[in-house]
Amino acid sequence: DAGVTQSPTHLIKTRGQQVTLRCSPKSGHDTVSWYQQALGQGPQFIFQYYEEEERQRGNFPDRFSGHQFPNYSSELNVNALLLGDSALYLCASTSALSTDTQYFGPGTRLTVL
Amino acid sequence: GENVEQHPSTLSVQEGDSAVIKCTYSDSASNYFPWYKQELGKRPQLIIDIRSNVGEKKDQRIAVTLNKTAKHFSLHITETQPEDSAVYFCAASIVNTGFQKLVFGTGTRLLVSP
Repeated sequence: DAGVTQSPTHLIKTRGQQVTLRCSPKSGHDTVSWYQQALGQGPQFIFQYYEEEERQRGNFPDRFSGHQFPNYSSELNVNALLLGDSALYLCASTSALSTDTQYFGPGTRLTVL
Repeated sequence: GENVEQHPSTLSVQEGDSAVIKCTYSDSASNYFPWYKQELGKRPQLIIDIRSNVGEKKDQRIAVTLNKTAKHFSLHITETQPEDSAVYFCAASIVNTGFQKLVFGTGTRLLVSP
């Protein structure tokens, strides 16, 4: 049973660039949430996707956008990167038909120079 | 919106001692409270969770208690071992059939010395 997977593992970008991060949910899960974890902080909710639509959004600017595909995988896009976007980006999946907990992927470490 | 406060930020104990981490939440509608353990460079791993219809839950050396009236919940680790050393996060959520938005505390760095 495959768990949540994310790619790439690490990424280095420069200010102003754009980045795309990818996530495949745990088998049987259809809901994907994205979190940003800055160094020394707890994860912060970015947004959640279900049925290819954004269902909830945290306090993040429009530079952060996402997409969910018919196979439930998801992408997180960040435009016009800032130094402050450097963080661990975590994807978590769950099932919309249950109250099951969220399971996290290994994360993508983004460094913005 | 929901706000979760977590204390202490760091906790050092001797192997075999107990460790207690406390969290408070602001939104009385929150009904799901998981605890995650995160080792350096790794993903948060769920170690125990509790739902609002339960006051206490135990799993071997780990227990969580919930006081809905006071809006606080605590993690208790007994007989600590060096491998318990990690950062622990509490979180609160309103669960409606999967539409969870986890709000995390700021984390507690637990160091267990042999």
